[in-house]
Amino acid sequence: DTGVSQDPRHKITKRGQNVTFRCDPISEHNRLYWYRQTLGQGPEFLTYFQNEAQLEKSRLLSDRFSAERPKGSFSTLEIQRTEQGDSAMYLCASSPGLAGGSFTDTQYFGPGTRLTVL
Amino acid sequence: QQQVKQSPQSLIVQKGGISIINCAYENTAFDYFPWYQQFPGKGPALLIAIRPDVSEKKEGRFTISFNKSAKQFSLHIMDSQPGDSATYFCAAGYNNNDMRFGAGTRLTVKP
Repeated sequence: DTGVSQDPRHKITKRGQNVTFRCDPISEHNRLYWYRQTLGQGPEFLTYFQNEAQLEKSRLLSDRFSAERPKGSFSTLEIQRTEQGDSAMYLCASSPGLAGGSFTDTQYFGPGTRLTVL
Repeated sequence: QQQVKQSPQSLIVQKGGISIINCAYENTAFDYFPWYQQFPGKGPALLIAIRPDVSEKKEGRFTISFNKSAKQFSLHIMDSQPGDSATYFCAAGYNNNDMRFGAGTRLTVKP
């Protein structure tokens, strides 16, 4: 396994259109995270899955955003009725998940999907 | 949203010099402090990480110094090389999932 992969790498869309991104985590990683990164800023947490369960969502994740991880493997992030403010790099990360542990474990990032909303 | 403050915003270092980037955090619940390196158009790549029970960790030319009482940690890059030119992010994680990132430091190493 070569790491986290994301598809597409770039997406240009018109305002009001819906877009969907896919993330394939490192195999056997239980946890999957979505982040958004705008130019000159660090990644901002959006949401997180433990297997197929979505356990946490940031306030940044408005009703227009939805994420799924139906079989506990790959995940999709959909943005409905895109706005120009949605233009950003969308990053996916995965981590092994420490079984029974209470410490935060290492997150490995994919290359990201750069979204441009015209 | 930003609970981790990073400085400086940009840094220029001569080849062979030491690059030092600092971060400060507020939430004492943080239990994991990684540094990520990011090149343009790429996702962040884990460089080195430390937990609060250790005051220093070294991996090759990269060292993290951690001061729990001051709630500060820093990245030192020894013998900086032009290939180290990138944006560096500190982060702090807690509750087994939540990770907060600094705003980043753009490092330029001049040959």
